Amino acid sequence: AQRVTQPEKLLSVFKGAPVELKCNYSYSGSPELFWYVQYSRQRLQLLLRHISRESIKGFTADLNKGETSFHLKKPFAQEEDSAMYYCALSGVTGRRALTFGSGTRLQVQP
Amino acid sequence: NAGVTQTPKFRILKIGQSMTLQCTQDMNHNYMYWYRQDPGMGLKLIYYSVGAGITDKGEVPNGYNVSRSTTEDFPLRLELAAPSQTSVYFCASSYSGQTTGELFFGEGSRLTVL
Repeated sequence: AQRVTQPEKLLSVFKGAPVELKCNYSYSGSPELFWYVQYSRQRLQLLLRHISRESIKGFTADLNKGETSFHLKKPFAQEEDSAMYYCALSGVTGRRALTFGSGTRLQVQP
Repeated sequence: NAGVTQTPKFRILKIGQSMTLQCTQDMNHNYMYWYRQDPGMGLKLIYYSVGAGITDKGEVPNGYNVSRSTTEDFPLRLELAAPSQTSVYFCASSYSGQTTGELFFGEGSRLTVL
């Protein structure tokens, strides 16, 4: 069975501080990992995916297969980064549905 | 471009009542999904569809039914509402090409069963 674990329900940092949102997964094959974000009063939307190796809004995430992790990082948090962040895994081919973690709320204080 | 539209946004049901959550998308996506999100939990897949006329169960299908008669619409039916179905429901769609993982979500429907 595939599983995504986000151990922190809430992460509170000050503006300008580094951010790391943790994500661990369980899957026997080769997973595809994603981070989704939900800003206040907005829809859940894709932030980034590991296969793209891209940086979006200053966020990066590296897939570590040895540690089965896909932590989301940003060197300097901004107040507009405050949101709910969900790590998600796509492992079952053919249906393209995602397995989501329970989410971490990031609060960036001024 | 509306994207994924869900109705209603809020609904209160009594135990045993039935209702349908509507979902429509205008992006010509073949893949559509229904998730539910309980407080403090992640989204759990209820049903999904890979195209018109094709549906399949997700992780938590009990108590729900779906149909997919057109590419645009993917309604979710609750036949006999139970308090355990109190949740926020999200409809999503995705492109059926090679790029995976980008689901487009609706705004969610908050359902309370009393």
